[in-house]
Amino acid sequence: QQQVKQSPQSLIVQKGGISIINCAYENTAFDYFPWYQQFPGKGPALLIAIRPDVSEKKEGRFTISFNKSAKQFSLHIMDSQPGDSATYFCAATNTGGFKTIFGAGTRLFVKA
Amino acid sequence: GAVVSQHPSWVICKSGTSVKIECRSLDFQATTMFWYRQFPKQSLMLMATSNEGSKATYEQGVEKDKFLINHASLTLSTLTVTSAHPEDSSFYICSARDLGRPNTGELFFGEGSRLTVL
Repeated sequence: QQQVKQSPQSLIVQKGGISIINCAYENTAFDYFPWYQQFPGKGPALLIAIRPDVSEKKEGRFTISFNKSAKQFSLHIMDSQPGDSATYFCAATNTGGFKTIFGAGTRLFVKA
Repeated sequence: GAVVSQHPSWVICKSGTSVKIECRSLDFQATTMFWYRQFPKQSLMLMATSNEGSKATYEQGVEKDKFLINHASLTLSTLTVTSAHPEDSSFYICSARDLGRPNTGELFFGEGSRLTVL
């Protein structure tokens, strides 16, 4: 019930294309869903986040789509660039309980 | 704002020695910090939750006598890997919540510390 399932494990996208990463959760107590970007040898950095009362959030080229009834959310990276090549982690947290559960990660490679 | 500094960024030590890693919140206060371990190409594994002024809460399977955590102030938590062995070699990352924004859920991560035990 505490798991966050993330797919795909790896993704190769052509420059300018759309990268899509999906996550699913089980615990309905989660109320905050962030996406983190991690470059090799660095700590993760918050990319974008959403709360379950919103179905979509867009920040620049990054969009989160959230489906509360299906308990799924996804990250869309529009106009993908080589600099977007990194590992992306979805996560879910219960802000009252503090613990954050991370997905397994998706390694994105954007071909120039 | 919301910067978390982790030090050292990398360390090499001999088997049997102890290594201390520091995690500092530079521009905010954090009553709660988290320590993770990350193996190559894998996700972050939560090791323990560090609470200012009290004992850390360890995740199942994490040896608390092996990984000592101290959270002495609102801006500093330390992880000490005691009697390190080669299997302790890993990437250790800390994160913190901003006390001033308790309900946001947002975590701020350090840059990570690469430990190599020879």
